[in-house]
Amino acid sequence: AQSVAQPEDQVNVAEGNPLTVKCTYSVSGNPYLFWYVQYPNRGLQFLLKYITGDNLVKGSYGFEAEFNKSQTSFHLKKPSALVSDSALYFCAVRDGLGGYQKVTFGIGTKLQVIP
Amino acid sequence: GAGVSQSPSNKVTEKGKDVELRCDPISGHTALYWYRQSLGQGLEFLIYFQGNSAPDKSGLPSDRFSAERTGGSVSTLTIQRTQQEDSAVYLCASSLTAGAENEQFFGPGTRLTVL
Repeated sequence: AQSVAQPEDQVNVAEGNPLTVKCTYSVSGNPYLFWYVQYPNRGLQFLLKYITGDNLVKGSYGFEAEFNKSQTSFHLKKPSALVSDSALYFCAVRDGLGGYQKVTFGIGTKLQVIP
Repeated sequence: GAGVSQSPSNKVTEKGKDVELRCDPISGHTALYWYRQSLGQGLEFLIYFQGNSAPDKSGLPSDRFSAERTGGSVSTLTIQRTQQEDSAVYLCASSLTAGAENEQFFGPGTRLTVL
């Protein structure tokens, strides 16, 4: 069975500081990893994904994530946080066995950027 | 371009009544998913459609829940004899295909409140 852990319910960071939102995963085959963001009263919005290749993935709004196979992690990062980055962030994993594979989402991490 | 749309945005109903939630995916997307989001619970997978068929219904919580998709497009999630524990935000998502490498595009959700 596959799983995703987001160990922090909430992350607080000052505006302009770097931010990290943590994610670890467990999957049988090759992991396909995703980050989504949810703003209040909105659906989830895709940020970035890792399928294969370079371990550092760049996505929307200046976000990036680093795939670390040995640590089974896919932490989301941004060099300089904005107040507008405050939202709920979800990590997700799918098994890259081919064809349809169910998505497993983490429970989400609330990011609060303090002005 | 049009994204995933859902209707209604809010639904308040009385316990025991039936409700229908509608999802209109992105044109050309063959895969469609329904999720349920409860406070502090993350995203709970309900059902997946490929075209008009539902190869994975494993997440439907009881036989009160059913869904259909017609014309490979619009999908309806029906909850019969609603219970208070059905109160949640119901999210619909679509993707170009069901391949694990494809990100999902989410609608804004329907907030269901069962009194």
